[in-house]
Amino acid sequence: GQNIDQPTEMTATEGAIVQINCTYQTSGFNGLFWYQQHAGEAPTFLSYNVLDGLEEKGRFSSFLSRSKGYSYLLLKELQMKDSASYLCAVREGDSSNTGKLIFGQGTTLQVKP
Amino acid sequence: EAEVAQSPRYKITEKSQAVAFWCDPISGHATLYWYRQILGQGPELLVQFQDESVVDDSQLPKDRFSAERLKGVDSTLKIQPAELGDSAMYLCASSLSTKGTYEQYFGPGTRLTVT
Repeated sequence: GQNIDQPTEMTATEGAIVQINCTYQTSGFNGLFWYQQHAGEAPTFLSYNVLDGLEEKGRFSSFLSRSKGYSYLLLKELQMKDSASYLCAVREGDSSNTGKLIFGQGTTLQVKP
Repeated sequence: EAEVAQSPRYKITEKSQAVAFWCDPISGHATLYWYRQILGQGPELLVQFQDESVVDDSQLPKDRFSAERLKGVDSTLKIQPAELGDSAMYLCASSLSTKGTYEQYFGPGTRLTVT
């Protein structure tokens, strides 16, 4: 079956570092995406991993271990505007290459002063 | 910067009525997706188009939902009749490719409330 697990909620302090974990079990794998979604708004792309290792982009980094079915999103120097839901999504790998994304339920991050 | 357009942004309808949503993807994006997102959950794919062809509609409740992309550009998602459980955010997304690093770009969504 298909299953993507993320913590439901997390709280962190402004200026701190927070790590949001994601574990997955899917039928095939063709990349993992992280999206940010502010309340009532559309998801916006943050990062993409398809090979094992760390991808860094400014204050945001994403890590992938395909053998463990595990990824994390690391947010540094937290700002109040980082309060949002963070969605982990796996792109299935299949012969038709439809690129279908399977989303986790999202992790709601609250940044406090 | 190019964006995915959706309308309306908000829709309130009574159960058993018909409702339609419209999406205009980023120019040049051949792949178009319709997702449903229930509050507190991640988006769930309803239907995916490649140009004007449906490539995945396995999660689309076909007894009441229909989707079309006649000219391979903009798309319409229809619900008839609407049910209380259809209340959700309906998101449209488009991408340049289904492979590689090409991400999906999402529109602002249509918030549907069925009363």
